[in-house]
Amino acid sequence: GAVVSQHPSWVICKSGTSVKIECRSLDFQATTMFWYRQFPKQSLMLMATSNEGSKATYEQGVEKDKFLINHASLTLSTLTVTSAHPEDSSFYICSARGYGDTGELFFGEGSRLTVL
Amino acid sequence: GQNIDQPTEMTATEGAIVQINCTYQTSGFNGLFWYQQHAGEAPTFLSYNVLDGLEEKGRFSSFLSRSKGYSYLLLKELQMKDSASYLCAVMDSNYQLIWGAGTKLIIKP
Repeated sequence: GAVVSQHPSWVICKSGTSVKIECRSLDFQATTMFWYRQFPKQSLMLMATSNEGSKATYEQGVEKDKFLINHASLTLSTLTVTSAHPEDSSFYICSARGYGDTGELFFGEGSRLTVL
Repeated sequence: GQNIDQPTEMTATEGAIVQINCTYQTSGFNGLFWYQQHAGEAPTFLSYNVLDGLEEKGRFSSFLSRSKGYSYLLLKELQMKDSASYLCAVMDSNYQLIWGAGTKLIIKP
C-alpha cells in the first residue's frame, strides 16, 4: 500500500513554544490530508481536512489560529501547534487520500507531543 | 446526528474466534472501514465494505448489512498479536469518515 511518513515521532517541548509536525506521502500524490488527535483510550478525533493549495477546513471546536495547517504541495502537509500548553499533549496522526481513491486512508506513524 | 456504536472492550482466548459488532447511523453511506490500532501506533487498514455481504481476507472477515446499519469484524484463529483496538468508521454522503470509539480486544492465552 501507499506510504505516509510523519515526523517527528516524539516531541517534548516547553509550554508556550510552537511545534511543527510534518506529514509526507512518499509514493503518491495526496489531494486530501486529514489531521487527527487522539487522547489515551479514546478514538481518533478529526481536527481538520486540508486540500492541496487551499485553506484547511477545521472541525467545530478546533482553534484554527492555534493549530495551523499548511498543505502547500501534493506530498506535504504540516501541522503547527502554536503556543503549546500541557493540555495540547496528545497523539497527533495524519492520513492521506490520493486521486481516484476508494476512500481508503493511509496513515502516518503518528506524533506524540508532550508539553511540559 | 451521526453515530457509530461498538463495544468498548472484549476478551477472547488465543486460537478462538471473536466477532466485533458495529452499528451506525449516518447522513448517507459511502462505505464502512475497519482499522486495527495497537497501543501508541497509528491505525492500519483492515477492510472496506460498500456492498452487503461478507468480505474475507485471511483470518479476518468483515460483514455489512446496509439495511440494518450493521457490520461486524470476525477474527479467526486468534493470536496474541491480535490484541489491539479495532476501529469501525463509516464514510458519509460528504465522503467524511465518522469514527467509532473503538473496541479494545484482549487476547488471553
